[in-house]
Amino acid sequence: TQLLEQSPQFLSIQEGENLTVYCNSSSVFSSLQWYRQEPGEGPVLLVTVVTGGEVKKLKRLTFQFGDARKDSSLHITAAQPGDTGLYLCAGSGGYQKVTFGIGTKLQVIP
Amino acid sequence: DAGVTQSPTHLIKTRGQQVTLRCSPKSGHDTVSWYQQALGQGPQFIFQYYEEEERQRGNFPDRFSGHQFPNYSSELNVNALLLGDSALYLCASSAGTGDRNTIYFGEGSWLTVV
Repeated sequence: TQLLEQSPQFLSIQEGENLTVYCNSSSVFSSLQWYRQEPGEGPVLLVTVVTGGEVKKLKRLTFQFGDARKDSSLHITAAQPGDTGLYLCAGSGGYQKVTFGIGTKLQVIP
Repeated sequence: DAGVTQSPTHLIKTRGQQVTLRCSPKSGHDTVSWYQQALGQGPQFIFQYYEEEERQRGNFPDRFSGHQFPNYSSELNVNALLLGDSALYLCASSAGTGDRNTIYFGEGSWLTVV
């Protein structure tokens, strides 16, 4: 069974601060996705990383895939209240079966 | 172009009853997966359907069953409902069998078992 550990599980920061969320596994994934989920809604895909060492930027969000494709990080620069939500990492390994981490609940205080 | 659509959005059932949830995949997608997300948890994989057959299954009891129709839409059935089945049920669709194909989620169906 492939497991993904996400940390921290809860994060409350002031607007303008930087933060990093980590996603770790003992398994190798062919690709890893980051999603953001609002309360009562389905997860919305932010990015997919597929190559070990890959770095992708989405405005103030920077995503990195570990060299061994077992871990990933999400860094948010100058967090905004609109960044508040549940951030989920998910790994794909075989026939698009996606394994999710428990999620990081981020609150950005104005 | 409609994305993944699910119905109903909310429903309340009594313990012991049966429920059917429905999902229409995004246009052009042929693979449908179902996930259960309990409050405060990440989604847990239930099973996946491709070409009208269950291709993979997560660690869920046989009370959870599904079906995929020729038009690629899918149903999730849960029998003998337990209080612990209360959760958000998410449907996800993708195209083809490539592991790197993007997966899109619906808004989910909220099930409350009382």
